[in-house]
Amino acid sequence: NAGVMQNPRHLVRRRGQEARLRCSPMKGHSHVYWYRQLPEEGLKFMVYLQKENIIDESGMPKERFSAEFPKEGPSILRIQQVVRGDSAAYFCASSPKSGSSYNEQFFGPGTRLTVL
Amino acid sequence: AQRVTQPEKLLSVFKGAPVELKCNYSYSGSPELFWYVQYSRQRLQLLLRHISRESIKGFTADLNKGETSFHLKKPFAQEEDSAMYYCALSVPPYSSASKIIFGSGTRLSIRP
Repeated sequence: NAGVMQNPRHLVRRRGQEARLRCSPMKGHSHVYWYRQLPEEGLKFMVYLQKENIIDESGMPKERFSAEFPKEGPSILRIQQVVRGDSAAYFCASSPKSGSSYNEQFFGPGTRLTVL
Repeated sequence: AQRVTQPEKLLSVFKGAPVELKCNYSYSGSPELFWYVQYSRQRLQLLLRHISRESIKGFTADLNKGETSFHLKKPFAQEEDSAMYYCALSVPPYSSASKIIFGSGTRLSIRP
């Protein structure tokens, strides 16, 4: 099991462009979480998804950000019209199906987004 | 409000000295707390959960509800303990579908 995979590991965009970040959960995991880490800060929750459903998006900025987790394929975090303030490390985590007694989340290596 | 506070950004101790990384939380119910660790060039990983009451790599953490604290301790630091440590709160607790609220992290540096 390769663990949670994220790509790209580094992404450079100019202001106004779109950024697409991908996350493949661990095999057998159907819950995906996205977190953002700004410089010198801890990870901040953005969104929690199950296959084809957004469960909790309370941490997502209201505009320009969207996330999906389709039936097939990786979860995508999409940032439209990026601004310099979007520069951060974006981490994805996954956890097994419901039924486990606690929520251990397994983290990917992160995507470092730089907006020029 | 749900919040996790780690007051120290950096903690530097000598090898063999005791270590205590401080963590305080704010949560209205019965909390579920974790410590995560990120070693250099590795991904974030779970170190321990308060509910398991285990000692992992010599580290322990006791939940003190009166002081709303969950400090991480180790009696004798080793050089390989140098890493970034995050205290974290699961919301809602004891659920397979929760978000995690992280503290801002403490960088632990062990001097030889």
